[in-house]
Amino acid sequence: KQEVTQIPAALSVPEGENLVLNCSFTDSAIYNLQWFRQDPGKGLTSLLLIQSSQREQTSGRLNASLDKSSGRSTLYIAASQPGDSATYLCAVRYTGRRALTFGSGTRLQVQP
Amino acid sequence: GAVVSQHPSRVICKSGTSVKIECRSLDFQATTMFWYRQFPKQSLMLMATSNEGSKATYEQGVEKDKFLINHASLTLSTLTVTSAHPEDSSFYICSALDEVYSNQPQHFGDGTRLSIL
Repeated sequence: KQEVTQIPAALSVPEGENLVLNCSFTDSAIYNLQWFRQDPGKGLTSLLLIQSSQREQTSGRLNASLDKSSGRSTLYIAASQPGDSATYLCAVRYTGRRALTFGSGTRLQVQP
Repeated sequence: GAVVSQHPSRVICKSGTSVKIECRSLDFQATTMFWYRQFPKQSLMLMATSNEGSKATYEQGVEKDKFLINHASLTLSTLTVTSAHPEDSSFYICSALDEVYSNQPQHFGDGTRLSIL
């Protein structure tokens, strides 16, 4: 079964810390992987998209890596800020499917 | 700016009412749209895939007669929750994909919070 798992489920850090969110997937046959941010009661904001052939993508303080062979992706957030507090979702587009398969998310709280 | 628009953002209605939710792609042609459902503190679960000009494909366990999907144009898909009951209360969110540029990020609407009294 093609699944996506995220750990930890929740994370609380003081402002300024660098942090890593983890995502694992069960099948290495993926088309791409996307990281999203979701604020409470809101929709999804796309943060980074990594194609199957890529190893990492960067946008500002965010860096996402992809290791297909081990079925893992990480989202690195540098110098965290209270405004980064949100739920971060990892979603995989498996080969042969058009829809995304989502992890259960990591709820991040950055303390001022 | 937003590339996928979803309307309405919130609906509160009585049990037995049918509710229609619209999902529009604003600046591209969406050959495929997806409808997801999200319960509190849970992740998004795919309900159905909406294909322009053809019948939707429903995921296992999703009642097609309960959740009617219409994708009549390349920029609009609608989800109608028929005879809604309290257990249908949830957050519904759509996304759109242009197969021509399938290596681009999938964009999501802002979601619809449905509350059935």
